[in-house]
Amino acid sequence: GEDVEQSLFLSVREGDSSVINCTYTDSSSTYLYWYKQEPGAGLQLLTYIFSNMDMKQDQRLTVLLNKKDKHLSLRIADTQTGDSAIYFCAESGDYGGSQGNLIFGKGTKLSVKP
Amino acid sequence: DSGVTQTPKHLITATGQRVTLRCSPRSGDLSVYWYQQSLDQGLQFLIQYYNGEERAKGNILERFSAQQFPDLHSELNLSSLELGDSALYFCASSDRLAGGSTDTQYFGPGTRLTVL
Repeated sequence: GEDVEQSLFLSVREGDSSVINCTYTDSSSTYLYWYKQEPGAGLQLLTYIFSNMDMKQDQRLTVLLNKKDKHLSLRIADTQTGDSAIYFCAESGDYGGSQGNLIFGKGTKLSVKP
Repeated sequence: DSGVTQTPKHLITATGQRVTLRCSPRSGDLSVYWYQQSLDQGLQFLIQYYNGEERAKGNILERFSAQQFPDLHSELNLSSLELGDSALYFCASSDRLAGGSTDTQYFGPGTRLTVL
């Protein structure tokens, strides 16, 4: 079945780059997403990438997609303490399909040390 | 602010009871999704509605049901509550199947359900 895997924890120093990795299984996923969840808050959409792209950059965020290896990564440049949160990778099925639900990883807890 | 609203923010109830969670999607979004977030299961898709009709079902228990009304708001009904139903329940909306270009889902702030 569909599955999304992420490492559970990442700790970095303020100002460094953070790289959060994710692997997924559904090769038919059209879009892949990164969501951020701060303590006690909902899920905030950070960015997404279309499956026929290799890379997408959005200010401090860079998403890399290796479709052959089904590997997705999120790089946060110049990580700040405000970036401390849980980051979820998610995949979805075909846009034309009947299902649009997201399959989430367990989330990576990013801790940024001053 | 995603534009998706959920009420109530917190709900504390007892085992065996029934509760209703409410969600209003972003303006113009026809699709509504419900997810459950718990410590052991993570984020799990429960059910999806599009323009009032059920479209897809995930890991939703038979004790749970949902509906989407003509004004597009949705309600998730949880009955015969058990301790294990304690979780964060999220609603999300998207413009999927309405000409939108992505499946991008925008999440509400969630309802935290505590079953005692």
